[in-house]
Amino acid sequence: DAGVTQSPTHLIKTRGQQVTLRCSPKSGHDTVSWYQQALGQGPQFIFQYYEEEERQRGNFPDRFSGHQFPNYSSELNVNALLLGDSALYLCASSYMGQGALEETQYFGPGTRLLVL
Amino acid sequence: AQTVTQSQPEMSVQEAETVTLSCTYDTSESDYYLFWYKQPPSRQMILVIRQEAYKQQNATENRFSVNFQKAAKSFSLKISDSQLGDAAMYFCAYRSAFAGGTSYGKLTFGQGTILTVHP
Repeated sequence: DAGVTQSPTHLIKTRGQQVTLRCSPKSGHDTVSWYQQALGQGPQFIFQYYEEEERQRGNFPDRFSGHQFPNYSSELNVNALLLGDSALYLCASSYMGQGALEETQYFGPGTRLLVL
Repeated sequence: AQTVTQSQPEMSVQEAETVTLSCTYDTSESDYYLFWYKQPPSRQMILVIRQEAYKQQNATENRFSVNFQKAAKSFSLKISDSQLGDAAMYFCAYRSAFAGGTSYGKLTFGQGTILTVHP
């Protein structure tokens, strides 16, 4: 049973560029959440997608956008990259469909983004 | 807004000994979930243990157990018989159980505690 997968594992970009990160949820999961984790800090919630719609959003600017596909996979897009966007980006999946009693989030290995 | 505080940036323990990691949180909600996640240097965040706030019984998973004090808003993690593989950054996290709330679905994390295990 495959867990949560993310691609790429590492990425180097320059300021002003745009980046797309990808996430495939754990089998049977229908919800994807994205988090940004700065070095030595706890993860910060960016947003969550369920049924192909953004249902919750954290305190991140509109430069951060996302998408969820019919197969539940998800993309995180960041436009106009800033040096401060350098971080580990974590994807977490969970099940919130009919009959779900509680949705524990399971994390992928993350994508390390470096903005120069 | 909910906040989670881990007041111990670093902790260390001898192999086979017991260590307790502290976590406090602030919320006005009565129903919520609390989690401990482990993040080894390989950076994959792994769920260690989960506690439902409406349950008075403390959760236990093998060598890992929690001391959940709802009134004090405290949620500590005890690791018994520590092993070298327990070395990691440990995060305490909070999630609202209120489906209609603006924070439902998001995990709020503490700053983390680095645990070192000495052989």
